[in-house]
Amino acid sequence: AQSVTQLDSHVSVSEGTPVLLRCNYSSSYSPSLFWYVQHPNKGLQLLLKYTSAATLVKGINGFEAEFKKSETSFHLTKPSAHMSDAAEYFCVVSDGGYSTLTFGKGTMLLVSP
Amino acid sequence: NAGVTQTPKFQVLKTGQSMTLQCAQDMNHEYMSWYRQDPGMGLRLIHYSVGAGITDQGEVPNGYNVSRSTTEDFPLRLLSAAPSQTSVYFCASSYSQETWNQPQHFGDGTRLSIL
Repeated sequence: AQSVTQLDSHVSVSEGTPVLLRCNYSSSYSPSLFWYVQHPNKGLQLLLKYTSAATLVKGINGFEAEFKKSETSFHLTKPSAHMSDAAEYFCVVSDGGYSTLTFGKGTMLLVSP
Repeated sequence: NAGVTQTPKFQVLKTGQSMTLQCAQDMNHEYMSWYRQDPGMGLRLIHYSVGAGITDQGEVPNGYNVSRSTTEDFPLRLLSAAPSQTSVYFCASSYSQETWNQPQHFGDGTRLSIL
């Protein structure tokens, strides 16, 4: 069985400061992990994915995430927040093969000027 | 290239009514799925399809039917709407059923209210 926990429902940062969105996962196999972003009234868009290659994954818009097997974590970071980063972010896990995806409950990122 | 198109964008129904949410993709994707999104719950899988003529249940299938007669279309039917089905519904597709490796392409959602 697979599960994912996003540790913060809301994160508030100031523009220009670093962003950290935390995600822990549980998986019976070698998981694939994804981060998606959802802007208001829009569908989800893929930010980045980890599929057992490099543990540090770079995504779009300056985001990156590090897969840490020992900590079962896949935290999302960005060095400097921009106002346009304000959105909801979802961590997603897949056990591999043809299994379905399991979504976290989401973290709302608020960016203030 | 339109991607994943969902119609309608908004709908209000009365309890007991039926309706169909439409989903179409023009990317020749094999795998399609329906999710519902509720506040604080993330996305939960309702039904999915790995190809034309093949469908299966997800985590929360009760009260919903699907069919996949063509590669492009994957409609979701509410048989008898209930207030608990008030939600935002997302359709997604990917190139193959290897969801561990394929990015999901999402539509913009259908916002459904059941009175």
